[in-house]
Amino acid sequence: GENVEQHPSTLSVQEGDSAVIKCTYSDSASNYFPWYKQELGKRPQLIIDIRSNVGEKKDQRIAVTLNKTAKHFSLHITETQPEDSAVYFCAPYLNQAGTALIFGKGTTLSVSS
Amino acid sequence: EPEVTQTPSHQVTQMGQEVILRCVPISNHLYFYWYRQILGQKVEFLVSFYNNEISEKSEIFDDQFSVERPDGSNFTLKIRSTKLEDSAMYFCASSEESSTNQPQHFGDGTRLSIL
Repeated sequence: GENVEQHPSTLSVQEGDSAVIKCTYSDSASNYFPWYKQELGKRPQLIIDIRSNVGEKKDQRIAVTLNKTAKHFSLHITETQPEDSAVYFCAPYLNQAGTALIFGKGTTLSVSS
Repeated sequence: EPEVTQTPSHQVTQMGQEVILRCVPISNHLYFYWYRQILGQKVEFLVSFYNNEISEKSEIFDDQFSVERPDGSNFTLKIRSTKLEDSAMYFCASSEESSTNQPQHFGDGTRLSIL
């Protein structure tokens, strides 16, 4: 069946530190790997995504790396700020699931100043 | 930036009643989705919709649920005979294409509370 594992479930860092969240998926045919940020009571907001033809993508302080062989992709946030505090979800398309995004269980990131 | 809009933001309903949640997808998008999120849990896929028919549905999307595009802009989720466990946040999303390579954009959600 569909399987998306996300680690860690919680992550606490000091402002200015880096944060890394890892997502492991089961379907080797997957080709699209987004990360969503969800603040309390708000919508999941797409913050970065990567397609299977590249290994890394960067957007200012946020980057995503993809290892298709090992079937995992990671979110990297550098120079964290208190406003980065939120729940982060990986949500790959799993080929067997067709058009559905399959969300991980989420990582609660807390950035303290 | 265009957004997916959802109404109402909060719906309170008695158990057993029917509810209709409404969504206006981004105007040039062709594919529409419903997801739900039980409080404190992950987001779960319910259904995808294209060209006036369901493309895919999850095990959650049973006969209690239905979707419709009644006109050129709205996309609705109907839940019949609501149960306490239907209480959740329901998110609508849309994407330009359905190839498994396109971002889905989410609305702000409708919080459904079943009493």
